[in-house]
Amino acid sequence: KAGVTQTPRYLIKTRGQQVTLSCSPISGHRSVSWYQQTPGQGLQFLFEYFSETQRNKGNFPGRFSGRQFSNSRSEMNVSTLELGDSALYLCASRLPGQANTGELFFGEGSRLTVL
Amino acid sequence: AQSVTQPDIHITVSEGASLELRCNYSYGATPYLFWYVQSPGQGLQLLLKYFSGDTLVQGIKGFEAEFKRSQSSFNLRKPSVHWSDAAEYFCAVNDYKLSFGAGTTVTVRA
Repeated sequence: KAGVTQTPRYLIKTRGQQVTLSCSPISGHRSVSWYQQTPGQGLQFLFEYFSETQRNKGNFPGRFSGRQFSNSRSEMNVSTLELGDSALYLCASRLPGQANTGELFFGEGSRLTVL
Repeated sequence: AQSVTQPDIHITVSEGASLELRCNYSYGATPYLFWYVQSPGQGLQLLLKYFSGDTLVQGIKGFEAEFKRSQSSFNLRKPSVHWSDAAEYFCAVNDYKLSFGAGTTVTVRA
């Protein structure tokens, strides 16, 4: 069974640009979450999608957005990039009906560098 | 809000020695607790989880963790570390999302 796949793995952008990151969950997983990992702030929850609906959202500005498609694939977008957006963005999926107890399966992440 | 604290930022241990990583949680009810490991350049992998019942839980790669409600702790242990255990370890508590600790980096010396 294929794991969570994130693309691209690495990318470099400049301030003011926007970026779109993609995540394909494990087959059968309908919940997709996104996390930002930085040395200073650690792992922080961005948002979670389930059946194409945003179910939960972390404390990030509106420049961070996401969506989920009918095949459960998800994308997140960051507009007007700032230097502080440089981070590893991790996507995770889990089986439905296991909101609190279910294991999150993480992808390897997309490493964004903003210059 | 629920949270976890990992007091140790970095631990160095000799190969073959035992390892214990500390985690303290803040949560009103019985927490859903997890330990994840992240190798360099990789995503996070679940080592073990605790929801209820037996307070000593076994995980993958020879790890175990003990839930102690009286101490609000969920410490991770391994009796004998291998060089491949060098990684960053995260404790997490789950409500509607995972809230992670700051992580503990483990270095294994030969």
